Amino acid sequence: AQSVTQLDSQVPVFEEAPVELRCNYSSSVSVYLFWYVQYPNQGLQLLLKYLSGSTLVESINGFEAEFNKSQTSFHLRKPSVHISDTAEYFCAVSVVGAQKLVFGQGTRLTINP
Amino acid sequence: DTEVTQTPKHLVMGMTNKKSLKCEQHMGHRAMYWYKQKAKKPPELMFVYSYEKLSINESVPSRFSPECPNSSLLNLHLHALQPEDSALYLCASSQEAGSITGELFFGEGSRLTVL
Repeated sequence: AQSVTQLDSQVPVFEEAPVELRCNYSSSVSVYLFWYVQYPNQGLQLLLKYLSGSTLVESINGFEAEFNKSQTSFHLRKPSVHISDTAEYFCAVSVVGAQKLVFGQGTRLTINP
Repeated sequence: DTEVTQTPKHLVMGMTNKKSLKCEQHMGHRAMYWYKQKAKKPPELMFVYSYEKLSINESVPSRFSPECPNSSLLNLHLHALQPEDSALYLCASSQEAGSITGELFFGEGSRLTVL
């Protein structure tokens, strides 16, 4: 079975500072990888995904993530964060051909002015 | 319309009550999902419907009964729940009904409190 580990439950950073949210996965078969964001009192929204091809994927709001097969990682980065980025971020994995999306424990990103 | 609409937003029920959560999408998506999210925890998959048929049941207790009346609607019937069932119940939909390669569109959830 596949699993996802988000190494940091909380990450506090100052506004305009860079941030990295770490995600590692475990699976014996090929997987697809996702990052979802959950703002307070809302559902989840897809931030970006890796299916195949270029290992660096980007979102429209400045986040990027890099798939590293050898390290089984899919870390999320942003070079300069904004107050509005305050949210819970979930890394998720699905096995190729399966219909189940498994989420990591989540990382709460807090931006301080 | 790229929304998944869930009703009610909040529900309080006793352990002997029968209630239902409703979910609706008009994006023509072929798969719909129920997830349960406890406070400060990730969403956990409960059920998946593909082409209106139940395709995945994650060993959910029978006091939760899903129903998919048509391709746009998904219900979750609740009966004889326990206080530990209190959680945020999230509905989601996806274009594909097989492998998850695209986005799951989530509703804002129904926050359930069982007294």
